[in-house]
Amino acid sequence: DAMVIQNPRYQVTQFGKPVTLSCSQTLNHNVMYWYQQKSSQAPKLLFHYYDKDFNNEADTPDNFQSRRPNTSFCFLDIRSPGLGDAAMYLCATSRGWSAGGDTQYFGPGTRLTVL
Amino acid sequence: GIQVEQSPPDLILQEGANSTLRCNFSDSVNNLQWFHQNPWGQLINLFYIPSGTKQNGRLSATTVATERYSLLYISSSQTTDSGVYFCAVEHSGGSNYKLTFGKGTLLTVNP
Repeated sequence: DAMVIQNPRYQVTQFGKPVTLSCSQTLNHNVMYWYQQKSSQAPKLLFHYYDKDFNNEADTPDNFQSRRPNTSFCFLDIRSPGLGDAAMYLCATSRGWSAGGDTQYFGPGTRLTVL
Repeated sequence: GIQVEQSPPDLILQEGANSTLRCNFSDSVNNLQWFHQNPWGQLINLFYIPSGTKQNGRLSATTVATERYSLLYISSSQTTDSGVYFCAVEHSGGSNYKLTFGKGTLLTVNP
């Protein structure tokens, strides 16, 4: 009973070639997140959506964009991948309870390789 | 922003041993979660625990919010417990829904 699904699990792209990573959820959660995790580091939040409201982290490069066409799906677009963008990309969801109790649930991740 | 420090950074155990992982945070929090990242990279929820104590099988966690720390206890460790354990917090005075992660504790359980 997968709850947060990410496709593909492994993605190889070429330097400068646009790539899109996909996330879907069956939890009907309001909030969806994208994190970048490089080797031996903690996950770093790139941006999140509360419903259709997009919230970008201040230090997220312009090269990273996101789309959320409906509640269930969220996409991460990397417009011109560089070697430094090779990482694990994690999608997460949460209900969106602002008063606390808002547990985040993570998908299995997509490991991106840039050649 | 809020600071999250985890200790120890690395821990090696023999199967069957017990361990305690610590998470210190620098300000009040709405949310604190413990995660286990398995060797394939998936982050698995262990506990949502902004305060109090919870237990789930061989794992338990305690958060003392007034003293700004949380502890994760692993008893009778198994090789499948190996991986990275992350503590992540949502700052009370910060942006809603944003988790700040510690750097993690790498646990290796040897047979």
